Amino acid sequence: QVQLVESGGGVVQPGGSLRLSCAASGFTFSNYGMHWVRQAPGKGLEWVAFIQYYGDIKNHVDSVKGRSTISRDNSKNTLYLQMNSLTSEDTAVYYCTTGMAYAFETWGQGTMVTVSS
Amino acid sequence: QSALTQPPSASGSPGQSVTISCTGTSNDVGGYNYVSWYQQHPGKAPKLMIYEVTKRPSGVTDRFSGSKSGNTASLTVSGLQAEDEADYYCSSYAGPNDLNWVFGGGTKLTVL
Repeated sequence: QVQLVESGGGVVQPGGSLRLSCAASGFTFSNYGMHWVRQAPGKGLEWVAFIQYYGDIKNHVDSVKGRSTISRDNSKNTLYLQMNSLTSEDTAVYYCTTGMAYAFETWGQGTMVTVSS
Repeated sequence: QSALTQPPSASGSPGQSVTISCTGTSNDVGGYNYVSWYQQHPGKAPKLMIYEVTKRPSGVTDRFSGSKSGNTASLTVSGLQAEDEADYYCSSYAGPNDLNWVFGGGTKLTVL
């Protein structure tokens, strides 16, 4: 079955960096655009970044542009989000999702990122 | 990249119908037929319920339906059941200059 498993979250100090990973299985990973979506504690969903099938087309929400980079390795069926210069505003559960018809089709269970000193 | 506007709460009794609105602009909801809706139970990941305004993924009950008029999209839940109590989020593609997506702030649906 289609499965997405995020990892790499944790507690990091302000100004620090983290790399999130999302391992995909049960489908042809390279046939799908992929997204990261985050949810701050008690808050709503926020789209973070998108990457096209082969990684040549990508975009990020303005609040993370210049600090975060989405990437993928189709040979490893893995999606990444490199996050730098983290602030408390980045504290959230980060979900990876498959893109389908401009919607977010399948979601992982999420990985928690906490930015705190 | 402004968020879409949803009412914070909605409610209905079992068996009734309830409609949740999602208001955007001509740059997102009104400009594309790429509105989607998500159901999220506490502590769980969101689940896709509606995509491309009106389409249901395989396995989603036809008690959930979507529509759009101008800059406002709507999700209707018919024949309310206890398990429908959850948070609901709308989302829209918000191009065209860049590949962007926006979400609504979410609506807490309570089954009375």
